[in-house]
Amino acid sequence: DIQMTQSPASLSASLGETVTIECRASEDIYNGLAWYQQKPGKSPQLLIYNANSLHTGVPSRFSGSGSGTQYSLKINSLQSEDVASYFCQQYYDYPYTFGAGTKLELK
Amino acid sequence: EVQLVESGGGLVQPGRSLKLSCLASGFTFSNYGMNWIRQAPGKGLEWVASISSSSSYIYYADTVKGRFTISRDNAKNTLYLQMTSLRSEDTALYYCARGTEVMDAWGQGASVTVSS
Repeated sequence: DIQMTQSPASLSASLGETVTIECRASEDIYNGLAWYQQKPGKSPQLLIYNANSLHTGVPSRFSGSGSGTQYSLKINSLQSEDVASYFCQQYYDYPYTFGAGTKLELK
Repeated sequence: EVQLVESGGGLVQPGRSLKLSCLASGFTFSNYGMNWIRQAPGKGLEWVASISSSSSYIYYADTVKGRFTISRDNAKNTLYLQMTSLRSEDTALYYCARGTEVMDAWGQGASVTVSS
């Protein structure tokens, strides 16, 4: 199975700041990576797919990058509504696997 | 508007069975692969099972293989998860999600608690 190692586990940042969350796959996943946002008490929502494609309706302050085994999600100009947990997911191969998540809070 | 509504969750004793349903609306259900993903209390997301649009391809996580069965009825726009031999570690919120690889729509979840 492909292991997804996500970091950091938690993150505290100020409004307007830029934050980056990383995900490392245990093998090359050829950009088969998605990022999801889960606000407290809500269902996950798709942000990014194919490592760097923005899902419809997602604000442009979110962006994804990476290749091979290393991927990242960047949030520019952090807003209060971005307080959430973020998960990466590889879909290059079954079983699909998720990172353990990053909890983003406001400083 | 795309909607996925799970039902069938509840409290069940270890070793018993439970069947979840997910009613889809707002899109052509028969055109999409579907998934079940679960989230234990306070934990991360765990993929459980996937089924292709015509049920030709089905995949399971090793943790549920042989105990859970994913199925769908395209005429009823409904996805199912039959869970048998339930264990305490199956306690979670179970989401159905649309998509073959990327999950672009999620339901609100059905809570399953396995306890005596």
